[in-house]
Amino acid sequence: GAGVSQSPSNKVTEKGKDVELRCDPISGHTALYWYRQSLGQGLEFLIYFQGNSAPDKSGLPSDRFSAERTGGSVSTLTIQRTQQEDSAVYLCASSSASVAAQETQYFGPGTRLLVL
Amino acid sequence: ILNVEQSPQSLHVQEGDSTNFTCSFPSSNFYALHWYRWETAKSPEALFVMTLNGDEKKKGRISATLNTKEGYSYLYIKGSQPEDSATYLCALYPYNQGGKLIFGQGTELSVKP
Repeated sequence: GAGVSQSPSNKVTEKGKDVELRCDPISGHTALYWYRQSLGQGLEFLIYFQGNSAPDKSGLPSDRFSAERTGGSVSTLTIQRTQQEDSAVYLCASSSASVAAQETQYFGPGTRLLVL
Repeated sequence: ILNVEQSPQSLHVQEGDSTNFTCSFPSSNFYALHWYRWETAKSPEALFVMTLNGDEKKKGRISATLNTKEGYSYLYIKGSQPEDSATYLCALYPYNQGGKLIFGQGTELSVKP
């Protein structure tokens, strides 16, 4: 079946511009996560959505970052007024439940963002 | 702040060598440990989810063990092949943190033919 998809696969933008990154989770998965990997760093949690509950935004690095999930499916991560330190690979993952420790998170291929 | 440590940071081996690497985590906050393999330009792929002290899991030539009391997990690759070249990530699923995973920085494995 179809896995998690993300678009665009690569994005180059100028400092100060806004960008939107899209994630299509696996159909039927109620939990959706955003992570990012900056150069030389591990994967860093950003935000997660579970069903209709309020999202856990505890990992968002600044108020320039926001995310929404429409209809419990597609999610968009928006970065306003991008800075060079926002350059990273942004990964989306989904799972069929968020509070089951054994539940595998399935990752998309990521969006590589470069802010010039 | 929960910290997950992986070592070594990178590893270069010859085809046919067996290898292993380590993931360390705070044992007081353990709920589950996930291992992923991430090949360049691909999605991270789940390898194992481990929850019980003494757990051993195996998938082909790759296996993993878990010690929750001392807070570590080992990943072993027997008879490494060039296609095993990837970054191996471990991630802690801690108590009371919702569903998010806390990742280590990964071990980058390169297997030369």
